[in-house]
Amino acid sequence: GIQVEQSPPDLILQEGANSTLRCNFSDSVNNLQWFHQNPWGQLINLFYIPSGTKQNGRLSATTVATERYSLLYISSSQTTDSGVYFCAVGSYNTDKLIFGTGTRLQVFP
Amino acid sequence: DAGVTQSPTHLIKTRGQQVTLRCSPKSGHDTVSWYQQALGQGPQFIFQYYEEEERQRGNFPDRFSGHQFPNYSSELNVNALLLGDSALYLCASSSYRGFQETQYFGPGTRLLVL
Repeated sequence: GIQVEQSPPDLILQEGANSTLRCNFSDSVNNLQWFHQNPWGQLINLFYIPSGTKQNGRLSATTVATERYSLLYISSSQTTDSGVYFCAVGSYNTDKLIFGTGTRLQVFP
Repeated sequence: DAGVTQSPTHLIKTRGQQVTLRCSPKSGHDTVSWYQQALGQGPQFIFQYYEEEERQRGNFPDRFSGHQFPNYSSELNVNALLLGDSALYLCASSSYRGFQETQYFGPGTRLLVL
């Protein structure tokens, strides 16, 4: 099955800093989503982005499907950005999402 | 517009017992998927229900079973609980249009097996 790797595993930032999170996947996908999991466990949808670039406020994401990776950019980070960021992918012959191991982000004031 | 809801929020059981978790999908969605998230790991797919049938199943034993009702809500049942079943159980809903669309997750049910 598809393997999903995320890097870095941990990231510590000061408020106001920018960061880039990476997601590599091992096969073609027709679904790629980025999630933020808050400390209470809620998975919050950030982007549905199987290809191309999207922006939403301070967050943006780019997926290069032909090279099998996606990037999540966080600009001017805030303490509320803390949590775990997951990349999840789905392939053409399955309806399930396969999650990466996540990037744990801590933003300090 | 209510999002995905799950009940209960927390549950404590003992080994060997049985548990039922419930999920109501987001309005307009007809597909429900269940995931298990162990501490420190990403969610793992258990199974997906569409039109009241199990469409796909992940690598979980038969102790894990489910059901979808005509109103699209769903239940996850786990029999003969093991300590290793302690996890956050997440329900996700989506709208099936012949291909995958965005999945939206509920707040989860935290299950502790003692």
